[in-house]
Amino acid sequence: DAGVTQSPTHLIKTRGQQVTLRCSPKSGHDTVSWYQQALGQGPQFIFQYYEEEERQRGNFPDRFSGHQFPNYSSELNVNALLLGDSALYLCASREGFTSTDTQYFGPGTRLTVL
Amino acid sequence: AQSVTQPDIHITVSEGASLELRCNYSYGATPYLFWYVQSPGQGLQLLLKYFSGDTLVQGIKGFEAEFKRSQSSFNLRKPSVHWSDAAEYFCVVLGAAGNKLTFGGGTRVLVKP
Repeated sequence: DAGVTQSPTHLIKTRGQQVTLRCSPKSGHDTVSWYQQALGQGPQFIFQYYEEEERQRGNFPDRFSGHQFPNYSSELNVNALLLGDSALYLCASREGFTSTDTQYFGPGTRLTVL
Repeated sequence: AQSVTQPDIHITVSEGASLELRCNYSYGATPYLFWYVQSPGQGLQLLLKYFSGDTLVQGIKGFEAEFKRSQSSFNLRKPSVHWSDAAEYFCVVLGAAGNKLTFGGGTRVLVKP
């Protein structure tokens, strides 16, 4: 059983560009969350998707948007990239939106903005 | 709003010695509490979790944590550290079902031979 997978592993972009990161949740999981982890800090919640809708959002600007597909996979899009967007982006999944079950994390996508 | 504080940014411990990582949380009710570990190049792995009941919880890799409501703490311990325990450790709170996870700033553990 594959766990949470993310692609790509690494990405280098320049300021002003747009980027799309992808996440496939663990089998049987229908709720996907995205987190941003800046260097030396703990992950910060970006948003959460369930039933193809954004259910919760953290303190991130509208440049950050997402999507969830019918197969529960998800994308994170960031527009007009800033140097400060350089970080490790983590995807997490669990079964059930209101569940307190363990969230499983993917290995992350390392985004570098030059 | 929920928050988590990990007072120690770095801890260095000798292999075989005991380890304790501190965690203090802020939340109006009894939260759901977790400890995750992040090793270089690997994703976040759950060590243990506390939801209710016995305040001393056992986890994987020989770790345990104790929930103390009066101190709003959830400290992580291991009696004897192995070199493979060198990693970043995060204390995490889930305020309610369906809510976001709130992470502490993390404690980096270095293990001396």
